[in-house]
Parts: sequence; C-alpha cells; structure tokens
Amino acid sequence: DQQVKQNSPSLSVQEGRISILNCDYTNSMFDYFLWYKKYPAEGPTFLISISSIKDKNEDGRFTVFLNKSAKHLSLHIVPSQPGDSAVYFCAASGPNYGQNFVFGPGTRLSVLP
Amino acid sequence: DTGVSQDPRHKITKRGQNVTFRCDPISEHNRLYWYRQTLGQGPEFLTYFQNEAQLEKSRLLSDRFSAERPKGSFSTLEIQRTEQGDSAMYLCASSPTGQNNEQFFGPGTRLTVL
Repeated sequence: DQQVKQNSPSLSVQEGRISILNCDYTNSMFDYFLWYKKYPAEGPTFLISISSIKDKNEDGRFTVFLNKSAKHLSLHIVPSQPGDSAVYFCAASGPNYGQNFVFGPGTRLSVLP
Repeated sequence: DTGVSQDPRHKITKRGQNVTFRCDPISEHNRLYWYRQTLGQGPEFLTYFQNEAQLEKSRLLSDRFSAERPKGSFSTLEIQRTEQGDSAMYLCASSPTGQNNEQFFGPGTRLTVL
C-alpha cells in the first residue's frame, strides 16, 4: 500500500512555462515533506521541503504548496528550464517514521526547448 | 569531492553469491541510511545508523542482508545468497544530527543478479 503517491509518471512542459508536479499522501501522521530531483546515473538531490505547520515554501524558481486537509502537495517550477528535466520524487516523514523518508514513485519531467 | 560516495557503481553477480557494497558518507554527518530502488519506484528505506549504532531496520531487510558501520564512518551492506529479486539500485545517504534534516544521497550501486 503506497503511502506517498505520484499519479503522473511523466510530464512534458515547454521551456519558460510553469511545471506543476503533484503528490498525494495517505498517512495523516506525516508532518514533513520534501522534493528530490534525480538525474540519470546520479543519486537523488534535495530540492525543497515544507513542514506541516506551513502551507507554502518558496526557493527561487521552486515553490511547494501543502494542503493538509486534502493530503496533497505540489511543486511548482517557474519558469521551467531544459536543465530541470529529471525525475522528481516526493517524500514524507513523521513521528512514527524515525529518521527515514517514505518516497513516492516519481514523476519524469521533460522540459522541451 | 566531499559528497557521499559508493563503491562499486555496478555489480553483476550470479544467484547464490554474496556481495558487499561500501558507502562513504559526508565526513561530518553522523547519520547514514541505506535505501533500495527498483525500476519505476522511489527509494525504499532499508536501515539507518546513528554513528556506529544501527537504530532502525525495515522489514524489507531480510536475514540475508546485513549492514555495518563499525567506526561510525563508512558503512557496508552485505547481501548473502543473492536472489534475482535483489536486483536493484542500492542508495546510501547521510545527514547531520537533528530533526528533519535533508539527506544527501550517493550515486548508488546498481546490482544485477543473473
């Protein structure tokens, strides 16, 4: 039973436009969420995080929104650049999970020039 | 390069053989994690060390798997009597002590069991 879901396996966006990647979770005990980006032949790289006490966190072109009532978060990338093409993983953690993260299956983003 | 390193990057073995992977974390990080990633899935947590103490183990970590971090620095993950289902990317990550710290991942070791 997947506790962190990313229902879109892939997404294509034109360069300069907004990319919106979505993530849903089922466990209401999760209180910390992260997005990681992964290029081929490399390990995942941390992108941005958000605590459950907030509903938005912004870092440059990247913004994460959290809707706790819907158990949904999204990552917005504006403007999208070809170098953003990668697999994006949503991850969650909480008090019952110690120090480990629960990852979603990932969404492959392709930014077309 | 002061990131997390893993060795080897690729390993091909025959079913039934034992394999061992090594992870060197970022030097000032006390915490070290092992994850497994299969095709089309995100990383799945296997185990976690705080210094040399193994504090958490996933139910995914069968008795054929063992991990060590003897001096609180590098770690090894051994898989005994490998099975084809063990074929995956094995990722190591490290983080400093503290709540909700991001984990820094290594490039992974890709295991193929024939």
